[in-house]
Amino acid sequence: DAMVIQNPRYQVTQFGKPVTLSCSQTLNHNVMYWYQQKSSQAPKLLFHYYDKDFNNEADTPDNFQSRRPNTSFCFLDIRSPGLGDAAMYLCATSRRFRGSYEQYFGPGTRLTVT
Amino acid sequence: GENVEQHPSTLSVQEGDSAVIKCTYSDSASNYFPWYKQELGKRPQLIIDIRSNVGEKKDQRIAVTLNKTAKHFSLHITETQPEDSAVYFCAASRTDSWGKLQFGAGTQVVVTP
Repeated sequence: DAMVIQNPRYQVTQFGKPVTLSCSQTLNHNVMYWYQQKSSQAPKLLFHYYDKDFNNEADTPDNFQSRRPNTSFCFLDIRSPGLGDAAMYLCATSRRFRGSYEQYFGPGTRLTVT
Repeated sequence: GENVEQHPSTLSVQEGDSAVIKCTYSDSASNYFPWYKQELGKRPQLIIDIRSNVGEKKDQRIAVTLNKTAKHFSLHITETQPEDSAVYFCAASRTDSWGKLQFGAGTQVVVTP
């Protein structure tokens, strides 16, 4: 089945220790997104890729970076995680269809910072 | 930029009753309005969407209406069931922003038997 996969599903890291989250997709969508979702809040867009073009949201901290080596994979790097970075990180993909983009979310990675 | 407001923040309904969630948006260029259902600890799941060239769309017990003039759209769930309990998010996007979604704050729906 075509899908969006995120690994790991749960990640525990220490304060200040770099961590990488991964996302892969078999939908062949050209747009990929990374969201941060904290408890009881809506998902907050960090950045997105249109093909290989990277677009950073203005309020995304410099501590967050991303890589998209090919259509199928996208990575989120948190260089120096702080306690405030503990959250669910959601990857999503989409493509243009009938003038709009339907987004499909992966299952998320729950990040804990100790 | 786009701003989406969603009301109410919590909604408690008796099983079998209807639930209505309302959203307003600010950017008149927004042309795609999805609704997501998110159960605790799970991914947001697209349940229905509407494009700006349509005023209403229905899928079984779920319907969405869009009023472009007033810039508001609503989700209607009829004959609610306990499995409808979740957080529901509305969102808006425009084609020229690569589908970037601006989410509402969410509505916690609780369906009591």
